[in-house]
Amino acid sequence: EAEVAQSPRYKITEKSQAVAFWCDPISGHATLYWYRQILGQGPELLVQFQDESVVDDSQLPKDRFSAERLKGVDSTLKIQPAELGDSAMYLCASSLGTGTSYEQYFGPGTRLTVT
Amino acid sequence: AQKITQTQPGMFVQEKEAVTLDCTYDTSDPSYGLFWYKQPSSGEMIFLIYQGSYDQQNATEGRYSLNFQKARKSANLVISASQLGDSAMYFCAMREGLWEYGNKLVFGAGTILRVKS
Repeated sequence: EAEVAQSPRYKITEKSQAVAFWCDPISGHATLYWYRQILGQGPELLVQFQDESVVDDSQLPKDRFSAERLKGVDSTLKIQPAELGDSAMYLCASSLGTGTSYEQYFGPGTRLTVT
Repeated sequence: AQKITQTQPGMFVQEKEAVTLDCTYDTSDPSYGLFWYKQPSSGEMIFLIYQGSYDQQNATEGRYSLNFQKARKSANLVISASQLGDSAMYFCAMREGLWEYGNKLVFGAGTILRVKS
């Protein structure tokens, strides 16, 4: 069964350092999402891509976060510089379409700890 | 305004019994979808069940069923015959259909379910 791949699974970094996460969606899924999940809360969307284009980045802290999806396949989320409050689980998801019925398939997530 | 409300921070259920996890939602969009996800301690989000706003019947998937009450804007998850492996965090989420793109999933705060043997 096809899965969304993410790496690394765990990342510990010091504040003010740069960190990057990678996501490879299920083949053929045009829509890719990055969510941030703070411990004890539900995931919140950071950025949504349709192919290589950003369609929603309204909740992305653009002064320190950036995301790209070159060629419309895999994607990278970067934080520079990292802050203590960025400690969270970063989840990537993909879906075949953007209609209301389309299920989003989630990857295993990257658990970030900023010290 | 909170779009998805899950009022039960934690629930306990005896193994083999049924349990209902509550979810209420708020939207003015006539077209929307409601989802339930399970998140074990390992962290991955596992899709459980989907209900569309125009679906006439309640969704069912194996031991999971969704009690959809549109007028009350509630979409409660019912798990029958609970198993120890059902212990996890459960999230209710909604996707509105107003825009073709950018219709993100909005999640509730979650309910932790613990199944007792």
